[in-house]
Amino acid sequence: GEDVEQSLFLSVREGDSSVINCTYTDSSSTYLYWYKQEPGAGLQLLTYIFSNMDMKQDQRLTVLLNKKDKHLSLRIADTQTGDSAIYFCAESRDDKIIFGKGTRLHILP
Amino acid sequence: SQTIHQWPATLVQPVGSPLSLECTVEGTSNPNLYWYRQAAGRGLQLLFYSVGIGQISSEVPQNLSASRPQDRQFILSSKKLLLSDSGFYLCAWIPQGHTGELFFGEGSRLTVL
Repeated sequence: GEDVEQSLFLSVREGDSSVINCTYTDSSSTYLYWYKQEPGAGLQLLTYIFSNMDMKQDQRLTVLLNKKDKHLSLRIADTQTGDSAIYFCAESRDDKIIFGKGTRLHILP
Repeated sequence: SQTIHQWPATLVQPVGSPLSLECTVEGTSNPNLYWYRQAAGRGLQLLFYSVGIGQISSEVPQNLSASRPQDRQFILSSKKLLLSDSGFYLCAWIPQGHTGELFFGEGSRLTVL
């Protein structure tokens, strides 16, 4: 299909790891991104990965890319209440950036 | 420094009325410019993008249109709004040749009654 797919909701206990998954469509996408949207705010880039990489780590964030399966994941270690937000997966496609519908991460106490 | 401004921030319009949302970018030249709409429960939908003055690509057929009269100005318009046009509209830009990080404006929340 044409869409970037991701599950809509994820609930995680505080202190556990969160894993948000995404499948994209264009095998020629140069960059894949994770954006974060906090309540009432705009989108901010969390991290991105170049398509020739398998993994990228940045503090509590780990991005894994399986290019064969067109699967991208974001792992947040030691999830905190401040991580509660909507997380958008996105892919670059020519001059366009195409977003998934977003995964709402809910933190349980 | 580079900034993006988008206005108005909030508007309530009756069905059938016109629309004009404006976005300007400062501190850069020849950016790629984008209009997205975020409707409740529907994620972020790309509406239009532009790689240069007067160059507009439309992603979704609808009653909206976009124009880029100047290098750093991007306008979203409608002649007659529909109820389904309600949503949160976001302007964004990427510097030419950049890694693709989108920089978003503050957004415009449109309610059509």
